[in-house]
Amino acid sequence: KAGVTQTPRYLIKTRGQQVTLSCSPISGHRSVSWYQQTPGQGLQFLFEYFSETQRNKGNFPGRFSGRQFSNSRSEMNVSTLELGDSALYLCASSFLRWRIEQYFGPGTRLTVT
Amino acid sequence: GQQLNQSPQSMFIQEGEDVSMNCTSSSIFNTWLWYKQDPGEGPVLLIALYKAGELTSNGRLTAQFGITRKDSFLNISASIPSDVGIYFCAGQNSGTYKYIFGTGTRLKVLA
Repeated sequence: KAGVTQTPRYLIKTRGQQVTLSCSPISGHRSVSWYQQTPGQGLQFLFEYFSETQRNKGNFPGRFSGRQFSNSRSEMNVSTLELGDSALYLCASSFLRWRIEQYFGPGTRLTVT
Repeated sequence: GQQLNQSPQSMFIQEGEDVSMNCTSSSIFNTWLWYKQDPGEGPVLLIALYKAGELTSNGRLTAQFGITRKDSFLNISASIPSDVGIYFCAGQNSGTYKYIFGTGTRLKVLA
């Protein structure tokens, strides 16, 4: 069974631009969560989608948004990029939402210059 | 953002030694997960725990769900060089279903 895939793996953007990251969960998984990982803040939860609906949201500004499609694939968008948005963005999928293993993709390394 | 306390923060050990690390929270969790992350990659799931007191092994790794439901422990026996990496715990909040991650333990193994 293929794992969680994320595209692109690396991205360089300029301040003020916007970016869209993509995540394809493990086949059959319906929950997709997004995390931001930085050396200073560690792994921070962004949001979770289940059955195309956002079920949870972390403490990030409205510039961070996401969506999930009917095939469970998910995208996250960051508008008006800031230098502090430079991070590894990780997507994780699970079959259900509760008391279940969560599997991560390789991440997208975003650098904002 | 919220993070769980993990200790030690980092450790150097000799190949063949056993390693212990733990994760503590002020909140009760119903699920604990342990991950290992290599540089530039996503975390890889090692062990999942679902019941207080549960002890689960995966090869040389053994993890325990603390009986207070506020902590968890990971042991690695007979460490080898490929055990190098950062180990994270994650606890799932029963109210929000969110996973909260630990600060990580960086393991370095000296051959």
